[in-house]
Amino acid sequence: GENVEQHPSTLSVQEGDSAVIKCTYSDSASNYFPWYKQELGKRPQLIIDIRSNVGEKKDQRIAVTLNKTAKHFSLHITETQPEDSAVYFCAALISGGGADGLTFGKGTHLIIQP
Amino acid sequence: DAGVIQSPRHEVTEMGQEVTLRCKPISGHDYLFWYRQTMMRGLELLIYFNNNVPIDDSGMPEDRFSAKMPNASFSTLKIQPSEPRDSAVYFCASSYSGFMGAFFGQGTRLTVV
Repeated sequence: GENVEQHPSTLSVQEGDSAVIKCTYSDSASNYFPWYKQELGKRPQLIIDIRSNVGEKKDQRIAVTLNKTAKHFSLHITETQPEDSAVYFCAALISGGGADGLTFGKGTHLIIQP
Repeated sequence: DAGVIQSPRHEVTEMGQEVTLRCKPISGHDYLFWYRQTMMRGLELLIYFNNNVPIDDSGMPEDRFSAKMPNASFSTLKIQPSEPRDSAVYFCASSYSGFMGAFFGQGTRLTVV
């Protein structure tokens, strides 16, 4: 089955700086890569996703990049703000016809220092 | 739409008791997933359904766990008998045709004492 590795497990950045979280996946058939944000005591919430036919996607201060050859994808948050503090999970999915459920990375605890 | 609805939000039970967790997916979604979250193991997929049919239950830890989806708007996850190591947050999630990111319910925090 799919295996997703996520790094770092904890990331501390100064407010206003950028944060980058990286993930690798094992199954080259994976074709859908969402990112989730989970605040303390709350549910994971989808914040951005990318499909395998796209190399990069942006949504305001958040961007995701995908390198299919290397089987890795990254989340980039620019101009970080205190409300960005949370645990972020990457995931991978083989979508379409008998798709598996999402396989998640272990999560990155992002801490924004004031 | 109210999103994915889970009940109860919190459950405290004694070891050996039966526990039933409930989930109502988003209307129109044809995939339903049950996940378990712990500090040690992160988010683990237990089982998922497509059009009410269980597709993959390889993540179910052992025979004490069972899940059903009798119709498109309701699913249960049952643990019988429960053990302290089952303590975790259990999330239900749903998606449309497996292609979109799944949307999660609020979760059920289970504590087995």
